[in-house]
Amino acid sequence: AQTVTQSQPEMSVQEAETVTLSCTYDTSENNYYLFWYKQPPSRQMILVIRQEAYKQQNATENRFSVNFQKAAKSFSLKISDSQLGDTAMYFCAFMNEGGTSYGKLTFGQGTILTVHP
Amino acid sequence: SQTIHQWPATLVQPVGSPLSLECTVEGTSNPNLYWYRQAAGRGLQLLFYSVGIGQISSEVPQNLSASRPQDRQFILSSKKLLLSDSGFYLCAWSEYWDTRSPLHFGNGTRLTVT
Repeated sequence: AQTVTQSQPEMSVQEAETVTLSCTYDTSENNYYLFWYKQPPSRQMILVIRQEAYKQQNATENRFSVNFQKAAKSFSLKISDSQLGDTAMYFCAFMNEGGTSYGKLTFGQGTILTVHP
Repeated sequence: SQTIHQWPATLVQPVGSPLSLECTVEGTSNPNLYWYRQAAGRGLQLLFYSVGIGQISSEVPQNLSASRPQDRQFILSSKKLLLSDSGFYLCAWSEYWDTRSPLHFGNGTRLTVT
């Protein structure tokens, strides 16, 4: 079974600065997908970024980028130019490819990020 | 565009009472549908998923059940609620034809069992 670990329960950053959230995972699979989801106080889960394991290039979405280290099974999220609206709980998630497990996410415990003005 | 609706937003129910949470998806056909639960201060746990009408798979043994009476409707139910059923329940969908499709979540239902 896959596991996802987020070792930072809480993080804080000043507005306009950069912050990195950590995530490690454990799997014996070679093909899979990794995600970062954001859950603001409204509680809706919002997809931030996605990474395919077969791609060596790190995914980027505007101010959000990942550092994907497949051998180390590490998938960190970097938020540049932090904004107050980035305050949320962030979840790292894993999904197997194919078979009967596609579409099913395994989530980490979450990291609460607070952006201070 | 696709949208997902989940209701009610909040619910307070006594122990032993029944439960019915509903989720509907618009703008897509034959979606994969999911029910997740988030306990306080913790990550999400997959409860049920469905790849078609009447097809339900349970991930964890529990006091809850799920049904999919129509293509884009997913219902979470219980005959008798337990205190441990309290939590935040999220419905989600993904495209059936794309195994890389990310999940899109509804706004969630906060259930408090008293």
